[in-house]
Amino acid sequence: EDQVTQSPEALRLQEGESSSLNCSYTVSGLRGLFWYRQDPGKGPEFLFTLYSAGEEKEKERLKATLTKKESFLHITAPKPEDSATYLCAVRDNYGQNFVFGPGTRLSVLP
Amino acid sequence: EAGVAQSPRYKIIEKRQSVAFWCNPISGHATLYWYQQILGQGPKLLIQFQNNGVVDDSQLPKDRFSAERLKGVDSTLKIQPAKLEDSAVYLCASSSPLTGRDEVRGAFFGQGTRLTVV
Repeated sequence: EDQVTQSPEALRLQEGESSSLNCSYTVSGLRGLFWYRQDPGKGPEFLFTLYSAGEEKEKERLKATLTKKESFLHITAPKPEDSATYLCAVRDNYGQNFVFGPGTRLSVLP
Repeated sequence: EAGVAQSPRYKIIEKRQSVAFWCNPISGHATLYWYQQILGQGPKLLIQFQNNGVVDDSQLPKDRFSAERLKGVDSTLKIQPAKLEDSAVYLCASSSPLTGRDEVRGAFFGQGTRLTVV
């Protein structure tokens, strides 16, 4: 059974204070690892897809990396508008389902 | 392109009442998902459709939840009778088949329906 855990559960940063969020996964044949951003009262919004170990993707202040067991979402010099819950999900080679982790609630203080 | 549409946005019902949610996926997306997201948790799959057929409903509480996808497009999720623990956000998402351009973007989500059972 595919499993995804995320840490920390919550993270408070000062504006400009860089940090990383962790996503650990167990999957029988990884088809893709997905990062989403979710704002309060909204559905998850796609950020990145990673397919194989060593792959990296960047978007503005965010960079996602992937190893065989975990993924990191690095946030460089965050701004208050980066405050949201960041969700990680995996999709295996055998089905089309996305299995989500519990998320990390990020708060960036001005 | 138009996104995933869901209605209603909010619903408050008493326990033991019934409720229905509606979802219209992105045009051309064969796969449709219903997720339940309890406050502070990640989305949990309830049911997955591929066109008209059910692919996975292993986590759907079938004694009270039902879902259908007529003509392979719109879908409805029903709860009857509702329990207090059903209070959650119900998210609909859609994706294209395993191959294709949209695969790299994962699933597209609607805004969700926030259900409160009192």
